[in-house]
Amino acid sequence: KAGVTQTPRYLIKTRGQQVTLSCSPISGHRSVSWYQQTPGQGLQFLFEYFSETQRNKGNFPGRFSGRQFSNSRSEMNVSTLELGDSALYLCASSWRGQGIDNEQFFGPGTRLTVL
Amino acid sequence: DAKTTQPPSMDCAEGRAANLPCNHSTISGNEYVYWYRQIHSQGPQYIIHGLKNNETNEMASLIITEDRKSSTLILPHATLRDTAVYYCIVRVADGANSKLTFGKGITLSVRP
Repeated sequence: KAGVTQTPRYLIKTRGQQVTLSCSPISGHRSVSWYQQTPGQGLQFLFEYFSETQRNKGNFPGRFSGRQFSNSRSEMNVSTLELGDSALYLCASSWRGQGIDNEQFFGPGTRLTVL
Repeated sequence: DAKTTQPPSMDCAEGRAANLPCNHSTISGNEYVYWYRQIHSQGPQYIIHGLKNNETNEMASLIITEDRKSSTLILPHATLRDTAVYYCIVRVADGANSKLTFGKGITLSVRP
């Protein structure tokens, strides 16, 4: 079956703009998590959605938000972009996001560059 | 989630076994050891996980010491495509928190 897809793959924005990234999980998966990856901070957890509800949240400012739709697709939004938001944004899906044998499948990521 | 410690890098020859160590001395009784890897410019990929018994799948073997304070991921016959950053993560597998806490990982370079 198809893997996790993320769109767009690459994005260039300027400071102060806002951006919306999209993630389509593997069919049947109900949990979607978002991560930010930068050279300095590595991979950091942003938030997780399960059945359209945010279930967990990392330590990021309120400019970072997300949502999940009834078909489990998820979007994340970053408002008032800063140069430091330049990163690879990764989405991961799993069947239920918890439990022992519940591996997470990652998408290829969206490379965001803020100028 | 418990903190893990991995050496920053290692290399091995193609066709040989790659043994990647991980220390997790503060691991709790209900925390599992997970391994993911990230090939350049791709998203992380799940490899294997275990609690206290050794585990093996088609990709790798996971050896966990009896005191569970350290583990080793073994790639039995490394290929050039195994060059990647390997992350050792310990986390509670049950409960409402699905977050993966990634450290810096270990960069494995497989040489021809």
